[in-house]
Amino acid sequence: NAGVTQTPKFQVLKTGQSMTLQCAQDMNHEYMSWYRQDPGMGLRLIHYSVGAGITDQGEVPNGYNVSRSTTEDFPLRLLSAAPSQTSVYFCASSPDRRGQFFGPGTRLTVL
Amino acid sequence: KQEVTQIPAALSVPEGENLVLNCSFTDSAIYNLQWFRQDPGKGLTSLLLIQSSQREQTSGRLNASLDKSSGRSTLYIAASQPGDSATYLCAVSRGGNNRKLIWGLGTSLAVNP
Repeated sequence: NAGVTQTPKFQVLKTGQSMTLQCAQDMNHEYMSWYRQDPGMGLRLIHYSVGAGITDQGEVPNGYNVSRSTTEDFPLRLLSAAPSQTSVYFCASSPDRRGQFFGPGTRLTVL
Repeated sequence: KQEVTQIPAALSVPEGENLVLNCSFTDSAIYNLQWFRQDPGKGLTSLLLIQSSQREQTSGRLNASLDKSSGRSTLYIAASQPGDSATYLCAVSRGGNNRKLIWGLGTSLAVNP
């Protein structure tokens, strides 16, 4: 199993640009989520999904969209990038009682 | 509102020492608690998961305990090695559909040869 994979590893955007952060898992987990990690603030939940076709907002959803058309994929879209979205983004999946498994992260800089 | 605190924020020890990292949480209504390791510029590796009904979990030189009533968890690392140098994060979940993890800010550990 590849586990949870994320692409790209690094990305630099200009303010106003849009992009999609990719996340995929091959463990057939129903639950997937996106977090952002910022210095001094810890990790915060952006969006999550409990299965294909079902998504919901976390604590910091503004400026981000998600979709879940398949069990495997959970892309995160930045509609119009802002410097405040400079962060490290982690995708995770979970098989319920066995905790959560994280991808390697995407380091995003918005200029 | 659930808050998670980790003390100390940073720790430096000589190789071979046994050490304890602390995690406290304000709301005892948790579903589980998970300890993670994060190396600089890297992702999050799950170390141990303790369900709310459990008191401790062990993996190799690592032992994590959970005391829900006092809102505390400890991560014990035996015979520390330079390769243990990393940031250790704890996170709690209320479970259910959300499964949102509430995170501490971590303890940065340096094990010196």
